[in-house]
Amino acid sequence: GIQVEQSPPDLILQEGANSTLRCNFSDSVNNLQWFHQNPWGQLINLFYIPSGTKQNGRLSATTVATERYSLLYISSSQTTDSGVYFCAVELHSGGGADGLTFGKGTHLIIQP
Amino acid sequence: SAVISQKPSRDICQRGTSLTIQCQVDSQVTMMFWYRQQPGQSLTLIATANQGSEATYESGFVIDKFPISRPNLTFSTLTVSNMSPEDSSIYLCSVEEPSRGRPWEQFFGPGTRLTVL
Repeated sequence: GIQVEQSPPDLILQEGANSTLRCNFSDSVNNLQWFHQNPWGQLINLFYIPSGTKQNGRLSATTVATERYSLLYISSSQTTDSGVYFCAVELHSGGGADGLTFGKGTHLIIQP
Repeated sequence: SAVISQKPSRDICQRGTSLTIQCQVDSQVTMMFWYRQQPGQSLTLIATANQGSEATYESGFVIDKFPISRPNLTFSTLTVSNMSPEDSSIYLCSVEEPSRGRPWEQFFGPGTRLTVL
């Protein structure tokens, strides 16, 4: 199956700092999503980005499908950005959905 | 996006018992999925549940342990059978909700936190 590696595993930053989270995947994918898991366990959809670049406020993401990696950028970090960020991919094969394969996540702590 | 609810939100169970988790969606969806998140770990796909067909299980998960029902396009259940402490996890359902430019985007329910004593 597809392998997904995220780095760094842990990141501690001061409020206001910028950060870059990376996701490498081992095969071509049709679906790549970034999620933020808040302290209550809820998965929040950040980006659906199998290729290209998208921006949403202080967050942006870029996926280079040909090189099999994706980057999540967080600018001007706030304490509410703390939590675990997951990258998940799916090879949506011809027979139907395969389900998402998740990386191990990046645990981000933003200190005031 | 679809509104997804799960019941119960959390439970504490005794080993050897079974628990059925419900997932309700406020719109009709074709694809539903069940995931497990063990403490401090990432999410792992348990099975894909399509209405009108048998669930498709991932390697390491079997129907006898995790029977799934999908009676209609808005509802699914996952049962965790003959539980042991190793089954203590968060169980999440998700749905695939296609939209323009996002054909396979998945959205997740709030999860069910299960503790087995």
